[in-house]
Amino acid sequence: DAGITQSPRYKITETGRQVTLMCHQTWSHSYMFWYRQDLGHGLRLIYYSAAADITDKGEVPDGYVVSRSKTENFPLTLESATRSQTSVYFCASSPEPTVKLFFGSGTQLSVL
Amino acid sequence: GNSVTQMEGPVTLSEEAFLTINCTYTATGYPSLFWYVQYPGEGLQLLLKATKADDKGSNKGFEATYRKETTSFHLEKGSVQVSDSAVYFCALNNYGQNFVFGPGTRLSVLP
Repeated sequence: DAGITQSPRYKITETGRQVTLMCHQTWSHSYMFWYRQDLGHGLRLIYYSAAADITDKGEVPDGYVVSRSKTENFPLTLESATRSQTSVYFCASSPEPTVKLFFGSGTQLSVL
Repeated sequence: GNSVTQMEGPVTLSEEAFLTINCTYTATGYPSLFWYVQYPGEGLQLLLKATKADDKGSNKGFEATYRKETTSFHLEKGSVQVSDSAVYFCALNNYGQNFVFGPGTRLSVLP
């Protein structure tokens, strides 16, 4: 089915480990986003991408790396995970930045 | 900068009760305003939106009116159902800048 899928659904890791969260969309949307959801903060933008090979920082980019070699994929990497990165991560896509966002089901990440 | 403020939750209502979730925003110009809903275990999905002052967005019995004079976009529903239990996020988008979300309001509807 067409849509936006995230993997894994759940991930437990240890501090200092590298972790990559995957995001794949089948709509060929130009824009893709990574958010983290924390109690009391709502959703905060980590990184976004306007097209393949174009990425930019959001509100909370420190400790994260993204790439976008293909339009449909937008992986998020935590290079050296910290406990403060325990969160629920959502990927989203959109054909334009002002149009509605389409969200994946999220990845629940725990860093021990 | 742009920001969104929502009423603190959680909100607990009985089935068929009237719902209001307050949302106010700070932004320059005339942003577009949105309500997103997150059902348990799922990602957010758009519930309704309004793009200019005095517009009313509506969907699934929910309504919200864009009030420029009070910088508000309150969500209302006349009779909630158990299936409306979810987290509701108010958000804005200002002239192609990135979306800004409020902290979310958890709604629990009891049978």
